[in-house]
Amino acid sequence: GQQVMQIPQYQHVQEGEDFTTYCNSSTTLSNIQWYKQRPGGHPVFLIQLVKSGEVKKQKRLTFQFGEAKKNSSLHITATQTTDVGTYFCAGGGGATNKLIFGTGTLLAVQP
Amino acid sequence: NAGVTQTPKFQVLKTGQSMTLQCAQDMNHNSMYWYRQDPGMGLRLIYYSASEGTTDKGEVPNGYNVSRLNKREFSLRLESAAPSQTSVYFCASSSVSATDTQYFGPGTRLTVL
Repeated sequence: GQQVMQIPQYQHVQEGEDFTTYCNSSTTLSNIQWYKQRPGGHPVFLIQLVKSGEVKKQKRLTFQFGEAKKNSSLHITATQTTDVGTYFCAGGGGATNKLIFGTGTLLAVQP
Repeated sequence: NAGVTQTPKFQVLKTGQSMTLQCAQDMNHNSMYWYRQDPGMGLRLIYYSASEGTTDKGEVPNGYNVSRLNKREFSLRLESAAPSQTSVYFCASSSVSATDTQYFGPGTRLTVL
């Protein structure tokens, strides 16, 4: 069935370093969404990308959707301790028309 | 606007006991979902409801039942709890389609001994 893989599973950075997480789908997606989950919290929607090759920015966060609409990335510039949490991608569309969540990347930021 | 609410926040069960997790949303959303989250496994869909009166199985439905009581409420029932069902359970809702933005409740942390 449709799968969405995310790498890395875990990343530990020093505050101020950059961070990137990658998301890959086994099928072409209609859209990709990104969510952030703080430790002990619930997933919160960050952004949605719909167009092939789309790039969107939110302050220090840059989101990209691949040309083939099968992969995506989230890049954080100059991480801060407030960036700590698990980042999930979620792929929409495909045969099931459901939102399939990736396994998530846990980001730890050392001050 | 409370968004999505879930009760209880925490629960400890013994193997074989039953319980119902409650979820309600006040955003007039059509679609509602139940996920479980286990370490390293991400969010896995248990059941979803595209509209009032309809429910459908997700990726991991075994051992669970659901009821879409009305447009606002979507409950998840464990008939005979097993230790493998120890997890964090999240309810979510979206406006229309499963590929719309999903809004999550605070979660229920369930331990089955």
